[in-house]
Amino acid sequence: KAGVTQTPRYLIKTRGQQVTLSCSPISGHRSVSWYQQTPGQGLQFLFEYFSETQRNKGNFPGRFSGRQFSNSRSEMNVSTLELGDSALYLCASSLRSGAGVMAGELFFGEGSRLTVL
Amino acid sequence: GESVGLHLPTLSVQEGDNSIINCAYSNSASDYFIWYKQESGKGPQFIIDIRSNMDKRQGQRVTVLLNKTVKHLSLQIAATQPGDSAVYFCAENISPIIQGAQKLVFGQGTRLTINP
Repeated sequence: KAGVTQTPRYLIKTRGQQVTLSCSPISGHRSVSWYQQTPGQGLQFLFEYFSETQRNKGNFPGRFSGRQFSNSRSEMNVSTLELGDSALYLCASSLRSGAGVMAGELFFGEGSRLTVL
Repeated sequence: GESVGLHLPTLSVQEGDNSIINCAYSNSASDYFIWYKQESGKGPQFIIDIRSNMDKRQGQRVTVLLNKTVKHLSLQIAATQPGDSAVYFCAENISPIIQGAQKLVFGQGTRLTINP
């Protein structure tokens, strides 16, 4: 069974540009969450999607957005990139069969490393 | 690597010894906690979890202890092996499980180094 797949693995952008990152969850998983990991702030929650709906959102500016498609694949977009957006962006999927599903059943991808110059 | 510049608490142990990694969480309403392991260049990997109605949970070579009074979580690794070298993160779920949503807040992490 394939794991969580994130593309691209590495990318370099310049300030002011925008970027789109893609995540394919484990087959059958309907929930996708996004996290930002930086040396200074550690792992921070961006948002969670379930059945194409955003269910939870972290404390990030509106430049960060995401969406989920009917096949559960998800994308996140960052517009007007800033130097501080350089980070490892991690996607995680879970089965999410309903209430009572443990957050521990969360499987992370290898991440997309974004460098903003 | 991705952790360059990151000031992490570190723990060095001898191979074969037991390791104890500690974590303080912030939200007294959190009802679910998880430990993750992250190796260089990889995403976090689930190790073990515990609900707030439990004090202790054991897995294979790992034990998680929860002290809700002082909001403290610990991970014990028995007979530490070279493959255990990684950064370990605790995380709390601040979205109630009953709502079916999840939002994890991660600790800063502890780098575990195994000495041969």
